[in-house]
Amino acid sequence: DIQMTQSPSSLSASIGDRVTISCRASHSISNYVNWYQLKPGRAPKLLISGASSLESGVPSRFSGSGSGTDFALTISSLHPEDFATYYCQQSYSTQWTFGQGTKVEI
Amino acid sequence: QLQLQESGPGLVKPSETLSLTCSVSGVSISNSDYYWAWIRQPPGKGLEWIGTIYYSGETFYSPSLKSRPTLSVDTSRNQFSLNLTSVTAADTAVYYCARIRGLGGTLHLDSWGQGIRVPVSS
Repeated sequence: DIQMTQSPSSLSASIGDRVTISCRASHSISNYVNWYQLKPGRAPKLLISGASSLESGVPSRFSGSGSGTDFALTISSLHPEDFATYYCQQSYSTQWTFGQGTKVEI
Repeated sequence: QLQLQESGPGLVKPSETLSLTCSVSGVSISNSDYYWAWIRQPPGKGLEWIGTIYYSGETFYSPSLKSRPTLSVDTSRNQFSLNLTSVTAADTAVYYCARIRGLGGTLHLDSWGQGIRVPVSS
Protein backbone atom coordinates (compact mmCIF):
# COMPACT_ATOMS: atom_id res chain seq x y z
CA ASP A 1 0.00 0.00 0.00
CA ILE A 2 1.05 3.58 -0.63
CA GLN A 3 0.54 5.60 2.55
CA MET A 4 -0.41 9.27 2.33
CA THR A 5 0.61 11.32 5.37
CA GLN A 6 -1.18 14.64 5.56
CA SER A 7 -0.29 17.56 7.84
CA PRO A 8 -1.40 19.31 9.86
CA SER A 9 -4.50 17.40 11.00
CA SER A 10 -6.16 20.71 11.79
CA LEU A 11 -5.35 24.38 11.63
CA SER A 12 -6.89 27.63 12.77
CA ALA A 13 -6.89 30.53 10.35
CA SER A 14 -8.61 33.82 9.61
CA ILE A 15 -10.32 35.24 6.57
CA GLY A 16 -7.67 36.41 4.14
CA ASP A 17 -4.92 34.12 5.47
CA ARG A 18 -2.71 32.07 3.17
CA VAL A 19 -2.98 28.39 4.08
CA THR A 20 -0.85 25.44 2.98
CA ILE A 21 -1.65 21.78 3.59
CA SER A 22 1.04 19.16 3.02
CA CYS A 23 0.79 15.56 1.88
CA ARG A 24 3.68 13.08 1.74
CA ALA A 25 3.55 9.75 -0.07
CA SER A 26 5.41 6.68 1.22
CA HIS A 27 6.67 5.98 -2.33
CA SER A 28 7.29 8.19 -5.33
CA ILE A 29 3.99 8.63 -7.17
CA SER A 30 4.90 11.15 -9.89
CA ASN A 31 1.96 13.60 -10.05
CA TYR A 32 -0.84 11.11 -9.25
CA VAL A 33 -2.34 13.17 -6.43
CA ASN A 34 -5.80 14.69 -6.14
CA TRP A 35 -7.26 17.06 -3.55
CA TYR A 36 -10.86 17.12 -2.28
CA GLN A 37 -12.93 19.41 -0.05
CA LEU A 38 -15.52 17.99 2.34
CA LYS A 39 -18.26 19.89 4.12
CA PRO A 40 -20.82 18.25 6.44
CA GLY A 41 -23.95 17.09 4.65
CA ARG A 42 -22.61 17.90 1.19
CA ALA A 43 -21.13 15.86 -1.61
CA PRO A 44 -17.32 15.95 -1.58
CA LYS A 45 -15.81 18.24 -4.17
CA LEU A 46 -12.77 17.70 -6.38
CA LEU A 47 -10.44 20.71 -6.27
CA ILE A 48 -7.18 19.62 -7.90
CA SER A 49 -6.22 16.62 -10.04
CA GLY A 50 -2.81 15.51 -11.24
CA ALA A 51 -1.16 17.44 -8.39
CA SER A 52 -1.70 20.87 -9.96
CA SER A 53 -4.64 20.92 -12.42
CA LEU A 54 -7.44 23.11 -11.11
CA GLU A 55 -10.87 21.58 -11.62
CA SER A 56 -13.27 23.63 -13.71
CA GLY A 57 -15.30 26.03 -11.56
CA VAL A 58 -12.90 25.93 -8.60
CA PRO A 59 -11.69 29.42 -7.58
CA SER A 60 -8.16 30.33 -8.60
CA ARG A 61 -7.17 30.98 -4.97
CA PHE A 62 -6.76 27.19 -4.75
CA SER A 63 -3.55 25.74 -6.16
CA GLY A 64 -1.67 22.46 -5.98
CA SER A 65 2.00 21.67 -6.30
CA GLY A 66 4.52 18.89 -5.94
CA SER A 67 5.80 15.74 -7.56
CA GLY A 68 7.34 12.48 -6.42
CA THR A 69 6.59 12.19 -2.70
CA ASP A 70 5.82 15.74 -1.50
CA PHE A 71 2.69 17.64 -2.40
CA ALA A 72 0.85 20.73 -1.19
CA LEU A 73 -2.53 22.39 -1.46
CA THR A 74 -2.46 26.16 -1.01
CA ILE A 75 -5.34 28.56 -0.50
CA SER A 76 -3.93 32.00 -1.25
CA SER A 77 -6.56 33.97 0.66
CA LEU A 78 -9.13 32.21 2.82
CA HIS A 79 -12.78 32.95 2.14
CA PRO A 80 -15.56 32.09 4.62
CA GLU A 81 -16.76 29.20 2.43
CA ASP A 82 -13.30 27.58 2.55
CA PHE A 83 -13.67 26.42 6.15
CA ALA A 84 -13.91 22.67 5.56
CA THR A 85 -11.86 19.47 5.67
CA TYR A 86 -9.39 18.74 2.90
CA TYR A 87 -8.04 15.37 1.76
CA CYS A 88 -5.25 14.32 -0.54
CA GLN A 89 -5.56 11.03 -2.43
CA GLN A 90 -3.20 9.00 -4.61
CA SER A 91 -4.23 7.22 -7.80
CA TYR A 92 -0.75 5.95 -8.72
CA SER A 93 -1.50 2.37 -7.75
CA THR A 94 -4.72 0.43 -8.32
CA GLN A 95 -5.18 0.45 -4.52
CA TRP A 96 -6.18 4.02 -3.83
CA THR A 97 -5.49 5.71 -0.49
CA PHE A 98 -6.41 9.01 1.12
CA GLY A 99 -4.57 11.20 3.58
CA GLN A 100 -6.00 11.54 7.07
CA GLY A 101 -7.55 14.94 6.32
CA THR A 102 -6.91 18.52 7.42
CA LYS A 103 -9.70 20.46 9.09
CA VAL A 104 -9.46 24.21 8.43
CA GLU A 105 -11.18 26.13 11.24
CA ILE A 106 -11.62 29.71 12.24
CA GLN B 1 -26.18 16.95 -15.85
CA LEU B 2 -24.48 14.06 -14.06
CA GLN B 3 -26.10 12.90 -10.85
CA LEU B 4 -25.26 9.99 -8.57
CA GLN B 5 -27.67 8.84 -5.86
CA GLU B 6 -26.96 6.21 -3.23
CA SER B 7 -29.75 4.03 -1.88
CA GLY B 8 -29.96 1.20 0.60
CA PRO B 9 -31.19 0.14 4.04
CA GLY B 10 -31.30 2.51 6.95
CA LEU B 11 -29.80 -0.06 9.31
CA VAL B 12 -27.81 -3.27 9.01
CA LYS B 13 -27.34 -5.86 11.74
CA PRO B 14 -23.90 -7.19 12.70
CA SER B 15 -22.76 -10.23 10.68
CA GLU B 16 -25.22 -9.42 7.86
CA THR B 17 -24.48 -8.09 4.36
CA LEU B 18 -24.67 -4.39 3.61
CA SER B 19 -26.08 -3.77 0.13
CA LEU B 20 -26.03 -0.35 -1.53
CA THR B 21 -26.91 0.84 -5.02
CA CYS B 22 -25.75 3.93 -6.87
CA SER B 23 -28.16 5.20 -9.53
CA VAL B 24 -26.44 7.23 -12.23
CA SER B 25 -28.19 9.78 -14.44
CA GLY B 26 -26.82 12.12 -17.08
CA VAL B 27 -24.25 9.70 -18.46
CA SER B 28 -24.25 6.04 -19.46
CA ILE B 29 -22.49 3.79 -17.00
CA SER B 30 -21.26 1.90 -20.07
CA ASN B 31 -19.29 4.91 -21.25
CA SER B 32 -15.76 3.60 -21.69
CA ASP B 33 -14.27 6.91 -20.50
CA TYR B 34 -15.18 6.31 -16.88
CA TYR B 35 -14.72 4.01 -13.91
CA TRP B 36 -17.00 4.01 -10.86
CA ALA B 37 -16.14 3.81 -7.16
CA TRP B 38 -17.35 3.44 -3.58
CA ILE B 39 -15.78 5.40 -0.72
CA ARG B 40 -16.81 5.63 2.92
CA GLN B 41 -16.27 7.85 5.95
CA PRO B 42 -16.77 6.38 9.44
CA PRO B 43 -17.93 8.83 12.11
CA GLY B 44 -15.12 11.11 13.19
CA LYS B 45 -12.67 9.54 10.76
CA GLY B 46 -11.29 10.16 7.30
CA LEU B 47 -12.19 8.90 3.84
CA GLU B 48 -11.55 5.27 2.91
CA TRP B 49 -11.58 3.95 -0.64
CA ILE B 50 -13.55 0.67 -0.86
CA GLY B 51 -13.32 -0.34 -4.50
CA THR B 52 -13.55 0.56 -8.19
CA ILE B 53 -15.43 -1.02 -11.09
CA TYR B 54 -15.44 -0.62 -14.88
CA TYR B 55 -18.54 -1.22 -16.98
CA SER B 56 -16.92 -4.42 -18.26
CA GLY B 57 -16.93 -5.78 -14.71
CA GLU B 58 -13.20 -5.28 -14.02
CA THR B 59 -12.81 -4.56 -10.32
CA PHE B 60 -10.23 -3.37 -7.79
CA TYR B 61 -10.69 -3.60 -4.04
CA SER B 62 -9.09 -2.23 -0.90
CA PRO B 63 -6.91 -4.97 0.63
CA SER B 64 -7.76 -3.69 4.12
CA LEU B 65 -11.35 -4.93 3.70
CA LYS B 66 -10.15 -8.51 3.25
CA SER B 67 -12.36 -9.83 0.42
CA ARG B 68 -15.60 -8.66 2.06
CA PRO B 69 -16.69 -6.15 -0.62
CA THR B 70 -18.11 -7.04 -4.03
CA LEU B 71 -18.88 -4.41 -6.65
CA SER B 72 -21.17 -5.06 -9.62
CA VAL B 73 -22.63 -3.13 -12.54
CA ASP B 74 -26.14 -3.26 -13.98
CA THR B 75 -25.90 -1.51 -17.33
CA SER B 76 -29.61 -2.00 -18.10
CA ARG B 77 -30.54 0.06 -15.05
CA ASN B 78 -27.53 2.39 -15.25
CA GLN B 79 -26.57 1.45 -11.70
CA PHE B 80 -23.66 -0.03 -9.83
CA SER B 81 -23.74 -1.71 -6.45
CA LEU B 82 -21.73 -2.59 -3.35
CA ASN B 83 -22.18 -5.68 -1.21
CA LEU B 84 -20.15 -5.80 2.00
CA THR B 85 -20.37 -9.07 3.91
CA SER B 86 -20.00 -9.87 7.60
CA VAL B 87 -20.39 -6.30 8.78
CA THR B 88 -19.49 -5.09 12.27
CA ALA B 89 -19.95 -1.79 14.07
CA ALA B 90 -16.68 -0.67 12.48
CA ASP B 91 -18.48 -0.61 9.10
CA THR B 92 -20.82 2.14 10.33
CA ALA B 93 -20.15 5.03 7.97
CA VAL B 94 -21.41 7.44 5.37
CA TYR B 95 -21.03 5.62 2.05
CA TYR B 96 -20.43 7.59 -1.14
CA CYS B 97 -20.53 6.52 -4.76
CA ALA B 98 -18.50 8.47 -7.28
CA ARG B 99 -17.39 8.64 -10.90
CA ILE B 100 -13.75 8.29 -11.87
CA ARG B 101 -12.46 10.34 -14.77
CA GLY B 102 -9.05 10.74 -16.35
CA LEU B 103 -8.36 7.63 -18.39
CA GLY B 104 -5.01 8.07 -20.06
CA GLY B 105 -3.89 10.48 -17.38
CA THR B 106 -4.28 10.84 -13.65
CA LEU B 107 -7.49 9.19 -12.48
CA HIS B 108 -9.63 11.20 -10.06
CA LEU B 109 -13.09 11.23 -8.47
CA ASP B 110 -14.77 14.08 -10.31
CA SER B 111 -18.40 13.64 -9.24
CA TRP B 112 -19.81 12.26 -5.99
CA GLY B 113 -23.19 11.34 -4.59
CA GLN B 114 -24.49 13.04 -1.48
CA GLY B 115 -23.73 9.96 0.61
CA ILE B 116 -25.89 7.60 2.63
CA ARG B 117 -25.46 7.03 6.34
CA VAL B 118 -25.47 3.33 7.23
CA PRO B 119 -25.36 2.34 10.88
CA VAL B 120 -24.51 -1.24 11.84
CA SER B 121 -26.32 -2.16 15.01
CA SER B 122 -28.43 -4.90 16.51
